[in-house]
Amino acid sequence: DQQVKQNSPSLSVQEGRISILNCDYTNSMFDYFLWYKKYPAEGPTFLISISSIKDKNEDGRFTVFLNKSAKHLSLHIVPSQPGDSAVYFCAASAHQDNNNDMRFGAGTRLTVKP
Amino acid sequence: DVKVTQSSRYLVKRTGEKVFLECVQDMDHENMFWYRQDPGLGLRLIYFSYDVKMKEKGDIPEGYSVSREKKERFSLILESASTNQTSMYLCASSLREISGNTIYFGEGSWLTVV
Repeated sequence: DQQVKQNSPSLSVQEGRISILNCDYTNSMFDYFLWYKKYPAEGPTFLISISSIKDKNEDGRFTVFLNKSAKHLSLHIVPSQPGDSAVYFCAASAHQDNNNDMRFGAGTRLTVKP
Repeated sequence: DVKVTQSSRYLVKRTGEKVFLECVQDMDHENMFWYRQDPGLGLRLIYFSYDVKMKEKGDIPEGYSVSREKKERFSLILESASTNQTSMYLCASSLREISGNTIYFGEGSWLTVV
């Protein structure tokens, strides 16, 4: 039972254009959402997060949008750069004691072409 | 900077061998995790620990055990390795309260079981 879904396994965009990566979740208890970036042979690194009390969080070229009613979030990268080419994982967690509810999606491989 | 160190980056083991994957974090984090990453399946939680000597099963604990004797160290044990355990294993750590914080990953251990 995948609680976090990334339905696009891959995405290819031209350098300078916008990259939009999507993520859906099913658990309405999730209240904190994160995006991680992963290069081959390395561990995932934290990119950006958003709390459920917000609908948008921006950090430089990266913006995450949250639509709670649709249980959907997206990551926008503008402008995309070749160095952004990586696998992006969406993650979600719920506020509770001793929680282990950090759930990850299957990932989307982004390729940014020069 | 948080550092999560996985002692073995690449291992090749034979079917039936006992395998130890070691992980150490240097930020005094309460929580530690073991995930495995497989293509199309994302990051799946194997086991989780929120304190010394405490452990909780994740989504796919079968065939694995863990040990947390010290706060900074979390070991994953494959009692009798099988070929379907060939994967990339990722250790992670976080503060006790996951929501509002991030989890930090090690660089990963590539295990091949032949």
